Amino acid sequence: NAGVMQNPRHLVRRRGQEARLRCSPMKGHSHVYWYRQLPEEGLKFMVYLQKENIIDESGMPKERFSAEFPKEGPSILRIQQVVRGDSAAYFCASSLAIGEAFFGQGTRLTVV
Amino acid sequence: DQQVKQNSPSLSVQEGRISILNCDYTNSMFDYFLWYKKYPAEGPTFLISISSIKDKNEDGRFTVFLNKSAKHLSLHIVPSQPGDSAVYFCAASTIYGGSQGNLIFGKGTKLSVKP
Repeated sequence: NAGVMQNPRHLVRRRGQEARLRCSPMKGHSHVYWYRQLPEEGLKFMVYLQKENIIDESGMPKERFSAEFPKEGPSILRIQQVVRGDSAAYFCASSLAIGEAFFGQGTRLTVV
Repeated sequence: DQQVKQNSPSLSVQEGRISILNCDYTNSMFDYFLWYKKYPAEGPTFLISISSIKDKNEDGRFTVFLNKSAKHLSLHIVPSQPGDSAVYFCAASTIYGGSQGNLIFGKGTKLSVKP
């Protein structure tokens, strides 16, 4: 049973471009969470999704950031018009039900 | 406004001794607590959890203690091993209260276990 898969592991974008981060949850998991870790910071909650629904997006910046978890396919975190301050490690986690969440290895976004 | 606080950014312990990592929280609605371990360039790995109906949970060398009145939990690792050197994150959630269940993390404590 494969773990949570995130791709790409590393992503470099120029300012103003779009970044798309993908997350395939563990098999059978229908809860997906996205977290961001800035340098020297802890993990900051961004958004919690279940299939086709956003349950809690209280941690998402109001502009440029969006997330989806379609019926088929991975969850996508999209950042439009990236800025240098978006450079961070983005982690996805999934869980079978509410409880322990299992994390992927993260996507390191660098905006140049 | 941090709801989950790990006030020690780092901790150094001798191999074989006990490591005690501390975590405080402010939201009395939290009813489920977890510890994660993270190596550089990897995602966090779940270690151990405890629900608010318990005050202690043990799994091998790892024990988590919960003091609800003090809003404090701690992770004990005994005996500590060099392979335990990592960043440890405390996380809290409100799962039994019927809320969304997203995990709120502390900033982490970097544990170094010296041989």
